[in-house]
Amino acid sequence: EAGVVQSPRYKIIEKKQPVAFWCNPISGHNTLYWYRQNLGQGPELLIRYENEEAVDDSQLPKDRFSAERLKGVDSTLKIQPAELGDSAVYLCASSLRQGHHSPLHFGNGTRLTVT
Amino acid sequence: EDQVTQSPEALRLQEGESSSLNCSYTVSGLRGLFWYRQDPGKGPEFLFTLYSAGEEKEKERLKATLTKKESFLHITAPKPEDSATYLCAVQGTGDGQNFVFGPGTRLSVLP
Repeated sequence: EAGVVQSPRYKIIEKKQPVAFWCNPISGHNTLYWYRQNLGQGPELLIRYENEEAVDDSQLPKDRFSAERLKGVDSTLKIQPAELGDSAVYLCASSLRQGHHSPLHFGNGTRLTVT
Repeated sequence: EDQVTQSPEALRLQEGESSSLNCSYTVSGLRGLFWYRQDPGKGPEFLFTLYSAGEEKEKERLKATLTKKESFLHITAPKPEDSATYLCAVQGTGDGQNFVFGPGTRLSVLP
């Protein structure tokens, strides 16, 4: 089966510019996550979707970050405007169903550099 | 609040030198403890899930064990290709049942 696909793999932008990341989860996986991983740290949850509903966005900086998952499949994460501190790897993950002992399956991430 | 710590932060082994990585956790009811391997420039790759104290899982040179407060990832006779960062995560029964990750242990196996 195809894994979680993310694009782009790398993105370099100047501060105050907008940026968007795209994720296609594993087919049939209802739950989709966006994580941010800083260098030398573990992933930190930004937002979790159950189908097309954002069920946990408590850690998403809503003043500049937004996400959507139209039709409950692909998802897009946007930052506008980007700040220097947003430089990190943005990981997308999916699982069959939250709360059913289903592990997360990750994509290879988008490495964002804000200059 | 669910928390995960891992030690050591980095570990350097000679090929064939067995060792263990530690994952300590606090969680309001454990739904599962997960081990992942992450290679540079890649996303974390799922290794094991452990559900209850006393449980063990094995895969090639890796064996994961679980107690009520910690998990160990034992690496027997490691090879250079085992070099990676190993992440531990817990999923609790509270807090939206979200996965909380530790900072990882960076393992280097020298030939």
